[in-house]
This record gives sequence, structure tokens and C-alpha cells, in this order.
Amino acid sequence: AQTVTQSQPEMSVQEAETVTLSCTYDTSENNYYLFWYKQPPSRQMILVIRQEAYKQQNATENRFSVNFQKAAKSFSLKISDSQLGDTAMYFCAFPRPWENAGNMLTFGGGTRLMVKP
Amino acid sequence: DTGVSQDPRHKITKRGQNVTFRCDPISEHNRLYWYRQTLGQGPEFLTYFQNEAQLEKSRLLSDRFSAERPKGSFSTLEIQRTEQGDSAMYLCASSLWIEGANEQFFGPGTRLTVL
Repeated sequence: AQTVTQSQPEMSVQEAETVTLSCTYDTSENNYYLFWYKQPPSRQMILVIRQEAYKQQNATENRFSVNFQKAAKSFSLKISDSQLGDTAMYFCAFPRPWENAGNMLTFGGGTRLMVKP
Repeated sequence: DTGVSQDPRHKITKRGQNVTFRCDPISEHNRLYWYRQTLGQGPEFLTYFQNEAQLEKSRLLSDRFSAERPKGSFSTLEIQRTEQGDSAMYLCASSLWIEGANEQFFGPGTRLTVL
């Protein structure tokens, strides 16, 4: 069974600083995707960044980047130059391997990030 | 607005009543997913459709739950004889299935409160 673990229930960061959110997962597959989703308070979930396991280069989207360590099964999210709008719940998510039908997402328990002015 | 929409956004009901939620996916998306999210937790998969076919159901989906996507467009999720444990946010997501890629776009959710 696939599991996704986020060990930091809550974090806070000062505006303009950098914060890293941790995620570990367990799978026996070799090819897969990993996602970070953001859920702002009372707003819908949006995709922040995705990583393809067969790509050695870490994904980057503007201020968001990942540190993907396949052997360690670790997938952390780094937010640079934090902004007040980054305040949200962040979920690490792992779909079924793309070879299989479905691709339903397994989510971690989430990390609540508060950006302080 | 071309995103995923859900209706109603909030529903308060008494235990034992039936409720039905609707999800309208992004128009060209062939896959539609239902998730349930309890307070402070990550979403949990319930079921998904490819076009009008329901291809998988989680064991979380008891016999009181039924989902349909009759024409491969919008979907409904019905809960019969609601229980207090059904109180949660019900999220709908859709995606355009292309092998190897599966970015799911989420709707705003329907928050159900069972009294």
C-alpha cells in the first residue's frame, strides 16, 4: 500500500523568508509522479508543483521548488520569498502509477503554513 | 468561469435524511473524482469515473453512498440515511486523462453538516 507522510502539522515563517515543508512516501514503483497541492482558507485546492520520478532534475515553479530524493523517498517543498498569500494548508499527494488506470490521489495529512508579516 | 464547480457549497441536514451533491467538471475532462475531507485532514478518495463509467470505488464508500455520471459530464453524489460521521467536505476533481499525466483540478467542495 502506498502511504504519504507529512511530519509537520504546522509551520510558520516570516514574510520574505524561506520555508521547507517535508513529505515522505512509500512505494515499490519506479515510475510515478508526485504533487504538492495548496488549499488556502475557505478556498479550493490548487496544484503548486509536480515532479516526475524519472526526471533527476528537481521541479521549479517561480518561488516554489522541490527537493526530490528518490532513494530516500523524500519530496520536500521549498517556498522562497514567502508571501502572505502563501498562508494555506499544503498537501503532498501521490497518484497511482501512471501505468495503472485510476490515478486516484493519496494525500498526506497536510502542513498548515502561516506566513507572518 | 471554466473551472470545476460544485453545488451546493454548504448543506446542513438532520440525521437520517438523504442529500445529493452535484459536480460540474471542466468541460473537456473525461475523468471525474470524488474525495472526502474531514477537518484538518487530507482528502480521501471515494470514487472516480471515466466518461460515464464508474471504474473504482473506495471501501470508504458504503452502501449508503451512490455516485453517477449519466452522460459523462456532470456527476452527482447521493448519501442516503445520513449519519453524523458523514459530516465532511466533499470535493470533486476532474482531469483530462492522458497516459502518464494526471493533473487533477479541484472544485470548491460541498461542506456537509449532519445534525
